[in-house]
Amino acid sequence: DVKVTQSSRYLVKRTGEKVFLECVQDMDHENMFWYRQDPGLGLRLIYFSYDVKMKEKGDIPEGYSVSREKKERFSLILESASTNQTSMYLCASSPGGWQGGANVLTFGAGSRLTVL
Amino acid sequence: DQQVKQNSPSLSVQEGRISILNCDYTNSMFDYFLWYKKYPAEGPTFLISISSIKDKNEDGRFTVFLNKSAKHLSLHIVPSQPGDSAVYFCAALVSYNTDKLIFGTGTRLQVFP
Repeated sequence: DVKVTQSSRYLVKRTGEKVFLECVQDMDHENMFWYRQDPGLGLRLIYFSYDVKMKEKGDIPEGYSVSREKKERFSLILESASTNQTSMYLCASSPGGWQGGANVLTFGAGSRLTVL
Repeated sequence: DQQVKQNSPSLSVQEGRISILNCDYTNSMFDYFLWYKKYPAEGPTFLISISSIKDKNEDGRFTVFLNKSAKHLSLHIVPSQPGDSAVYFCAALVSYNTDKLIFGTGTRLQVFP
């Protein structure tokens, strides 16, 4: 079964701390994504990557950076966490090219981050 | 600018009845639409999709309807079951570009016995 695994399900950090959220997929997918989910705002794209060492800004990249050193791993980095970054973070992956709607995005279980 | 809108944040339906979740969009370039379902503490999972060349797609208890002239799609669940209680997100694509999947704000469905 295809899987996207997010290593941390729940994190509590303090303002100003550096935060790493890790995501690994075992499907050999080309594309990987980081979204955040907030009530009333839906899912908003932070960054995505279509290849190793490649990244593109999404709709809300401010305050975040990403790293993709290996095809299967995509990390989201909060250089200096702030309280407005308290959210549910969702990693997703998709194969390169169009392969039908069912394969558009496969999500991980999410990482709930609280910044105090 | 919210290109994909779900104006009902929540919906409560009795078990066995029909659930209708609505979604409106503003970008006429969208040509593929998807619905995702999300349980608490889990990631969203793909439910059903529809291409803009169709006006209906059915999969078991789930049917998605697309009205291009009104820029509106809806998800029908018949009959509704308690296990359908979740948050439902509609999403849209332009030219099958998976890099640009735009999500709506979500509708929380509660199915009660």
